[in-house]
Amino acid sequence: GAGVSQTPSNKVTEKGKYVELRCDPISGHTALYWYRQSLGQGPEFLIYFQGTGAADDSGLPNDRFFAVRPEGSVSTLKIQRTERGDSAVYLCASSFGAAGELFFGEGSRLTVL
Amino acid sequence: GESVGLHLPTLSVQEGDNSIINCAYSNSASDYFIWYKQESGKGPQFIIDIRSNMDKRQGQRVTVLLNKTVKHLSLQIAATQPGDSAVYFCAENLEGNSKLTFGKGITLSVRP
Repeated sequence: GAGVSQTPSNKVTEKGKYVELRCDPISGHTALYWYRQSLGQGPEFLIYFQGTGAADDSGLPNDRFFAVRPEGSVSTLKIQRTERGDSAVYLCASSFGAAGELFFGEGSRLTVL
Repeated sequence: GESVGLHLPTLSVQEGDNSIINCAYSNSASDYFIWYKQESGKGPQFIIDIRSNMDKRQGQRVTVLLNKTVKHLSLQIAATQPGDSAVYFCAENLEGNSKLTFGKGITLSVRP
């Protein structure tokens, strides 16, 4: 499709497990962002990629969270030793350049039991 | 229903009326502002933006007003339609900064 694609759309896991969330940005978009949206809140910035490198990872809450974008296109957000507080919708967005309009995917809803 | 709208302030308007959604932003140094619309189960969708060197910008049926003195942003929707029902977020950014800071959302409910 033409938009940002995120998989899985829903993920239920148990406390302590490892989770990977995938984002496929719009073709040609060099900038990619991960945000987290908790119940009743606005999205919160996690990390920003320009090409393959993480240009700003200041929003990652702790070292259990890690993201990669090895070929400058698809990105994977990795969460180790999940905790119940990690339950949220994880949103990916991409843009054509750092100052471009952000296009968001529909998000991956993570539930940690 | 989806959880994004829970615990958020709600604005209820009659179909056909004009809507005004307000937002107080936090950083006086922010110089770029965006309004997003988020429908149930979907990601935020860009509506309109404005830079700090402007105080008003118009789009199709939408107008954004910026008052830097009191750090206030508003979104006006003309002739509100049922399809406008959603959660609306304002977001702010600093020039050259990669991250957007989103405000608390407001749920717009359009009565037929």
